[in-house]
Amino acid sequence: IAGITQAPTSQILAAGRRMTLRCTQDMRHNAMYWYRQDLGLGLRLIHYSNTAGTTGKGEVPDGYSVSRANTDDFPLTLASAVPSQTSVYFCASSMDSGADGYTFGSGTRLTVV
Amino acid sequence: GQNIDQPTEMTATEGAIVQINCTYQTSGFNGLFWYQQHAGEAPTFLSYNVLDGLEEKGRFSSFLSRSKGYSYLLLKELQMKDSASYLCAVVDSNYQLIWGAGTKLIIKP
Repeated sequence: IAGITQAPTSQILAAGRRMTLRCTQDMRHNAMYWYRQDLGLGLRLIHYSNTAGTTGKGEVPDGYSVSRANTDDFPLTLASAVPSQTSVYFCASSMDSGADGYTFGSGTRLTVV
Repeated sequence: GQNIDQPTEMTATEGAIVQINCTYQTSGFNGLFWYQQHAGEAPTFLSYNVLDGLEEKGRFSSFLSRSKGYSYLLLKELQMKDSASYLCAVVDSNYQLIWGAGTKLIIKP
């Protein structure tokens, strides 16, 4: 692994199903983030974690949950998917804060039908 | 509230120069980033400004005026591969990144 790995690359999901998007980084970055990107709206922060063991809510957290059991992994869970959660999801990390700049994963394209 | 404004779309000609503007109103300021995002790909880092002035990096330059809440990204000698979206992001007082919606740059031959 070099950088951030997201899985799956894409997924079609039935509404009401549970889904976990995976994100793993090998840069020993302390901070990690989940964004969704929708046409015309730019990147919107869902949840973040400043360090292992802590998480926080971003701009659009409803319907999503995260955990940060260790430094490397930051999974995003949709408990019961709805069509409005159709989007491209990006995981990102930074050494400590936004001022360090972000490294992004390649994204997960999720379609909820 | 916090707000970052960029033009939605711009068109330029191969070999020319284009300037993409970004204005911001945020709670505090701890730096400004420009990222490039090709269609279907992740954003990648272009530049970072924290002090006023111009930062030059090859064909790309970025300018910042903190007193005006203004930045621009200047792209010279445009190439077809520069067709992409360009995202402006500001580090606020909580050291979180606030993102603009991005400017889609279309390069024509």
